[in-house]
Amino acid sequence: DGGITQSPKYLFRKEGQNVTLSCEQNLNHDAMYWYRQDPGQGLRLIYYSQIVNDFQKGDIAEGYSVSREKKESFPLTVTSAQKNPTAFYLCASSAEIENTIYFGEGSWLTVV
Amino acid sequence: AQSVTQPDIHITVSEGASLELRCNYSYGATPYLFWYVQSPGQGLQLLLKYFSGDTLVQGIKGFEAEFKRSQSSFNLRKPSVHWSDAAEYFCATLMDTGRRALTFGSGTRLQVQP
Repeated sequence: DGGITQSPKYLFRKEGQNVTLSCEQNLNHDAMYWYRQDPGQGLRLIYYSQIVNDFQKGDIAEGYSVSREKKESFPLTVTSAQKNPTAFYLCASSAEIENTIYFGEGSWLTVV
Repeated sequence: AQSVTQPDIHITVSEGASLELRCNYSYGATPYLFWYVQSPGQGLQLLLKYFSGDTLVQGIKGFEAEFKRSQSSFNLRKPSVHWSDAAEYFCATLMDTGRRALTFGSGTRLQVQP
């Protein structure tokens, strides 16, 4: 099936540890995104990438890092510098010509 | 900077009643406009989108939305709500230049009473 796969669905980490969330798409989309969702705040953009080997900071990039070495993959690392990392993380992708962004099923990260 | 406002945080309607969810955007030109739906703990599903042309757009699950430039609005409607429509609904915009990423409203949670 074509789509966007995020893993793991649920992740628990101790405070101070880095954690990497995986996002893979087989839609041949050029652009990929990471959003963070907190209750009552909608979705906020962390990072986005419009082409391989290039990415830009979104509105809340501090404490996060990404890489885009392959077109189909856009992993997000939540570092120990992120002060409040517990949240629901959503990966998305789009084809430039289509101007429509599609989402994965999300990953819950809980830091204790 | 563009922004999206969804004035209603929470709406409750009876099953079979009509529904309208409000969305206002702030942007100099006409942005691309979207409505997404999210069930608890799930990703977002695209309901419909507006880029240009006919200001009344049809989406999936019986939803429609109307773009009104004079009011900077893109309200979502459904004539008869089903219990399965209970979810959170997000309005979003995408600029056609510069940063090509969605800007979201804060969402409206829809509860459906039997």
